[in-house]
Amino acid sequence: RKEVEQDPGPFNVPEGATVAFNCTYSNSASQSFFWYRQDCRKEPKLLMSVYSSGNEDGRFTAQLNRASQYISLLIRDSKLSDSATYLCVVTSGGGADGLTFGKGTHLIIQP
Amino acid sequence: DAGITQSPRHKVTETGTPVTLRCHQTENHRYMYWYRQDPGHGLRLIHYSYGVKDTDKGEVSDGYSVSRSKTEDFLLTLESATSSQTSVYFCAISEVQGASYEQYFGPGTRLTVT
Repeated sequence: RKEVEQDPGPFNVPEGATVAFNCTYSNSASQSFFWYRQDCRKEPKLLMSVYSSGNEDGRFTAQLNRASQYISLLIRDSKLSDSATYLCVVTSGGGADGLTFGKGTHLIIQP
Repeated sequence: DAGITQSPRHKVTETGTPVTLRCHQTENHRYMYWYRQDPGHGLRLIHYSYGVKDTDKGEVSDGYSVSRSKTEDFLLTLESATSSQTSVYFCAISEVQGASYEQYFGPGTRLTVT
């Protein structure tokens, strides 16, 4: 069974700090990787895709380690508005139905 | 934001009644999906569609059926609702490009089956 594992948290982090969390996946054939953000009682929203070379979008950096089968998300200079649940999503190849979602990591930024 | 709407946004129904949820998109995307989200679980795929009248089952399809008669609409039907189908239902769309399967989600429907 294809699995995506995340530490559920919560991660309690002071405002301005750097926080990182990882996600591991079981299917070595996985091809595409994403981080989504979900606010309480809202829909998931795409935060960023994760590329093999790693990528950065402002304060957010995503890394992919295919050998160890994990994805990481780093948030620098955290803001109160970063408080949310972060979902790791992995495609398992094949057709467009092949997305597997992690259960999410809950992040709380404290003032 | 992607043009995706879901209706109704909230619904309370009784066990044994049929329920239909609607997803409508204005993006002309080929793929549409229905997920459910429950505490302690990640999003789980119920059914998806890869074109008009082309649908397939997902991980948790038992008790659900779908239809897609137009590109913009994807309907999810619970033929006879059960309490285990109390959940938040999300519709999503994607336009597959290469190896990218970025999906965009609607606002969700909160369904309670009493």
